[in-house]
Amino acid sequence: NAGVTQTPKFQVLKTGQSMTLQCAQDMNHNSMYWYRQDPGMGLRLIYYSASEGTTDKGEVPNGYNVSRLNKREFSLRLESAAPSQTSVYFCASRGLAGVKLAGELFFGEGSRLTVL
Amino acid sequence: SQKIEQNSEALNIQEGKTATLTCNYTNYSPAYLQWYRQDPGRGPVFLLLIRENEKEKRKERLKVTFDTTLKQSLFHITASQPADSATYLCALDLGTYKYIFGTGTRLKVLA
Repeated sequence: NAGVTQTPKFQVLKTGQSMTLQCAQDMNHNSMYWYRQDPGMGLRLIYYSASEGTTDKGEVPNGYNVSRLNKREFSLRLESAAPSQTSVYFCASRGLAGVKLAGELFFGEGSRLTVL
Repeated sequence: SQKIEQNSEALNIQEGKTATLTCNYTNYSPAYLQWYRQDPGRGPVFLLLIRENEKEKRKERLKVTFDTTLKQSLFHITASQPADSATYLCALDLGTYKYIFGTGTRLKVLA
């Protein structure tokens, strides 16, 4: 019963390096999300994918790109990492189709990224 | 500006008492309001949601109220236990696939 799986759990990068955070869900959910969580700032939406084949910007998309590879997988890429991107990143998924239906988010355990 | 505020950074209460956490928001019209629990080093876990036309929702020792006129939700944990110690997040479901989270309230239940 894996739910939402994120890799890697921890990563240290140097400024300017690139990396991809991977996320997969096994619940056949339609919508997937990437959030970052910083002390005192709460969870902030980076990008989301309402359904397979679509992606949209959230509140803080600058410096990030995403790919909805298939219904299960949603990756987040940092092309040129900056110290301001040091954060904990959470992937989440939502099961119900349709904007007006209530649906809770299921979160992964987080990926802790440090950019030096 | 649009924002969500949760009542305090940390709340300490004695075991057995009722914990009350507050979530206030401005300039949003959410379809639903949700509450999540987050333990250190873990991802948030969904607890309850309440619809805009509902005043109150209960689940075991948890109770949520939602006042769309005051733009406020209260989250109560009755008969609190040390195992309830965690950070609690409120989230607005705007009905547009977007969820906006508060910064969270850290609750510590003292034995």
